[in-house]
Amino acid sequence: EVRLVESGGGLVQPGRSRRLSCTVSGFKFEDYAMHWVRQAPGKGLEWVSGITWNSGRIAYGESVKGRFTISRDNAKNSLYLQMNGLRLEDTAFYYCVKDNSGWYGDFDYWGQGALVTVSS
Amino acid sequence: QSVLTQPPSASGTPGQRVTISCSGSGSNIGANTVNWYQQLPETAPKLLISTNSQRPSGVPARFSGSKSGASASLAISGLQSEDEADYYCAAWDDSLNGVVFGGGTKLTVL
Repeated sequence: EVRLVESGGGLVQPGRSRRLSCTVSGFKFEDYAMHWVRQAPGKGLEWVSGITWNSGRIAYGESVKGRFTISRDNAKNSLYLQMNGLRLEDTAFYYCVKDNSGWYGDFDYWGQGALVTVSS
Repeated sequence: QSVLTQPPSASGTPGQRVTISCSGSGSNIGANTVNWYQQLPETAPKLLISTNSQRPSGVPARFSGSKSGASASLAISGLQSEDEADYYCAAWDDSLNGVVFGGGTKLTVL
């Protein structure tokens, strides 16, 4: 069974940092690109960042570029999102997502989401 | 304002056929494949249609997808109450170098 489990969510003050983790099982993690997608409460989906299987290609959405850093550790079956300079508008559920297409966003499995609330 | 344009809402009665449109441009839908996601209330999204028209294992044949030029559509035939959910289209955008989503369509089964 494929499982993606996010952790690290919580309440954080504006301007501070937070690191999300995603631990996966049930598939060969090192073979797949992975992404983060977020959803503000009551709003639509927004792609945040993606990373290829070997970290050779990384991309970010415009709203997080320069503030967020995606990384992975294939030995630990884990994906990470380091979020710096958090803003109120970063409040959202953050989903860890497996890409079945190699890079181009065929999101076949999603985690349950980690809620990050940015508030003073 | 989402890069891909979807109607905010759609509705139908049980047994009806409903379609949801998704409009993009030459850098996204016009150049790449479209995926559709279903999000039931209080749950994570789920892949519904892959690569314009492919149904992943377990997705009922009532769901179908198509693409023409820079637009795509999702059709649901034999509408059921459990189809009440939010539906999102998505595609890679060559200009933005990332995945773009539609704003979502809330489907109500009357």
